[in-house]
Amino acid sequence: GAGVSQTPSNKVTEKGKYVELRCDPISGHTALYWYRQSLGQGPEFLIYFQGTGAADDSGLPNDRFFAVRPEGSVSTLKIQRTERGDSAVYLCASSSMAGPAETQYFGPGTRLLVL
Amino acid sequence: KQEVTQIPAALSVPEGENLVLNCSFTDSAIYNLQWFRQDPGKGLTSLLLIQSSQREQTSGRLNASLDKSSGRSTLYIAASQPGDSATYLCALRRTGANNLFFGTGTRLTVIP
Repeated sequence: GAGVSQTPSNKVTEKGKYVELRCDPISGHTALYWYRQSLGQGPEFLIYFQGTGAADDSGLPNDRFFAVRPEGSVSTLKIQRTERGDSAVYLCASSSMAGPAETQYFGPGTRLLVL
Repeated sequence: KQEVTQIPAALSVPEGENLVLNCSFTDSAIYNLQWFRQDPGKGLTSLLLIQSSQREQTSGRLNASLDKSSGRSTLYIAASQPGDSATYLCALRRTGANNLFFGTGTRLTVIP
C-alpha cells in the first residue's frame, strides 16, 4: 500500500507488561513522527525522527517510553512497565518535504488498552 | 505553551447547509496550519494546509483561512453532505518546531 501502516491495530496488555508498536512510513519519507491521542482529545506529540536519529524526543512523557528507527524507515515505539494511563491510540505520521508546505501523512493508529 | 482551541466541540447541521468550523491559537509564530478529518476508529486525513505566508486555501467544497494577527483559522464547508460527518481537527506547526499542536476537534454530524 502507499500509505502509512501501523501494527498491531489493537493491543491489549496487562499493567506492568512491555509492548512494542510498529510504524511503516510511506516509502522514501525521511521524517517520522509519533503522537498519542487520548479519548476526546487531539493527538499529542511524542517524538520526531529525521532519518535514523531522534531529532526531538521532548514529547515522551517519561523514561518508560522509547522509540527507534535503526534503518531510517520502520520505527518501533517501545513502552516498558505499562500503566493504565498509557491507554490511548498511538498514531504515526511521515513526511517527505521540509519547509512550510510539508504535509504529515498519518497511519490508522494502534489502539492500546492497558488493563 | 501553545494552546489550540476548537469551538464548538460538536455541531449538527441538516444536509445542504453551509457551515464554519473555528480554530483559535495563542501563538502567532506559525509556520503552517493544517486541517484534518478523522473518522471514528481511523487515522487522520489531511484536508488543507495553509502556509504562514498565505491567507487561505481551497479544495473542492472546502475553504480554510488563516489570520495570524487575530489567532484564528476557519474551515468553511459548502453544501454539507452526510459523508462529511467526522471529527475535524486543526493543527499548527510553530516556527522552529517540527511537530504539530492539535486542537481537541469539532465533531460534525450532517443529518440527511
